[in-house]
Amino acid sequence: GAGVSQTPSNKVTEKGKYVELRCDPISGHTALYWYRQSLGQGPEFLIYFQGTGAADDSGLPNDRFFAVRPEGSVSTLKIQRTERGDSAVYLCASSQTGDSPLHFGNGTRLTVT
Amino acid sequence: SQQGEEDPQALSIQEGENATMNCSYKTSINNLQWYRQNSGRGLVHLILIRSNEREKHSGRLRVTLDTSKKSSSLLITASRAADTASYFCATPDSGSARQLTFGSGTQLTVLP
Repeated sequence: GAGVSQTPSNKVTEKGKYVELRCDPISGHTALYWYRQSLGQGPEFLIYFQGTGAADDSGLPNDRFFAVRPEGSVSTLKIQRTERGDSAVYLCASSQTGDSPLHFGNGTRLTVT
Repeated sequence: SQQGEEDPQALSIQEGENATMNCSYKTSINNLQWYRQNSGRGLVHLILIRSNEREKHSGRLRVTLDTSKKSSSLLITASRAADTASYFCATPDSGSARQLTFGSGTQLTVLP
């Protein structure tokens, strides 16, 4: 069956630009997560959705980061005024419930030049 | 903040040997999970062990959990070249059970 799909797989942008990263979770999964992974490190939590609402956004580093999931399925992570330090792989994951193991997508590699 | 820390950071073995990776964590947990990540790919869930379990098996994987020492180990028996990957332990955050905190991982290389 289809897994978690993330687009684009790679994104190169200039400092100061706005970017949107998309995540299509596994159909029927109510929980959706965004993580950020720097080279040589484990994923760091950004935000968790249960249905349409952001149940926990405590991992968002600052107000330049925002995520939405308007219909409880597809989610978009939005980054305003990108900085070089935002360069990382952004991973999306979904699960059937908030307690189930996570199914990850292959990530979007964001490079800010 | 990093909750789990894996040890060693890197491990290189011959095909057929066993690989053992360790994870230490800081706060009380109700479960601990292990994930694998192949280069350039997302993470794949391997196994979940609950706080009231001491050992769990899944195929060639064996996971132990010692809550008194706040540590876990992942053993891969009869390793294969395809097991080459990074392995991460993850625990629910003490403040938010839905927030998994990952360690920095062990890079395993299995030589053919």
